[in-house]
Amino acid sequence: DTGVSQDPRHKITKRGQNVTFRCDPISEHNRLYWYRQTLGQGPEFLTYFQNEAQLEKSRLLSDRFSAERPKGSFSTLEIQRTEQGDSAMYLCASSFPTSGISYNEQFFGPGTRLTVL
Amino acid sequence: KNQVEQSPQSLIILEGKNCTLQCNYTVSPFSNLRWYKQDTGRGPVSLTIMTFSENTKSNGRYTATLDADTKQSSLHITASQLSDSASYICVVSEGAGKSTFGDGTTLTVKP
Repeated sequence: DTGVSQDPRHKITKRGQNVTFRCDPISEHNRLYWYRQTLGQGPEFLTYFQNEAQLEKSRLLSDRFSAERPKGSFSTLEIQRTEQGDSAMYLCASSFPTSGISYNEQFFGPGTRLTVL
Repeated sequence: KNQVEQSPQSLIILEGKNCTLQCNYTVSPFSNLRWYKQDTGRGPVSLTIMTFSENTKSNGRYTATLDADTKQSSLHITASQLSDSASYICVVSEGAGKSTFGDGTTLTVKP
């Protein structure tokens, strides 16, 4: 396991369609995060899981967005009825909470670039 | 509201030159501050991590400083290379998964 992986890397869809992204974290990392990043901006927090429990959701995560991590390993992010404003890079990160400075060091995946036409 | 502000927004330098990027934050409580490098179309990669007790941290040609009193950090890049062209993001963490990201500084290194 060399790092966080995300699939697909690119997704083009028509407005109104549903899309689902997958994230596979680093093995044994029990925390998993989803971010959205638009051009020229830093990543914006969407949600995070500790094992299978979704512990926090940003207000950016509208009702059209849902994230799951059913077995505490990989996670999926689904966007229903996509809108053009959903076009962005969706980043996944994972971490393994330990004491000390690396308590929440997050390792990022390559991201999924979503384009909504 | 927790905020991380980075400056400049963009920077162009010649290969071999040094540069310094700035990060000011208002995040509280403070756990650690990280600098990431993000190449175009890729996920961020960690460069340095510092807690409040650390004033400086180096990673090769990258040196980060932290002044927890003034809530300022800087990232100094020495002897820049073309491969340093990227966005550099400052991230301040409260701990327990809560992090605030800056919008990054886009660095372009020209030959």
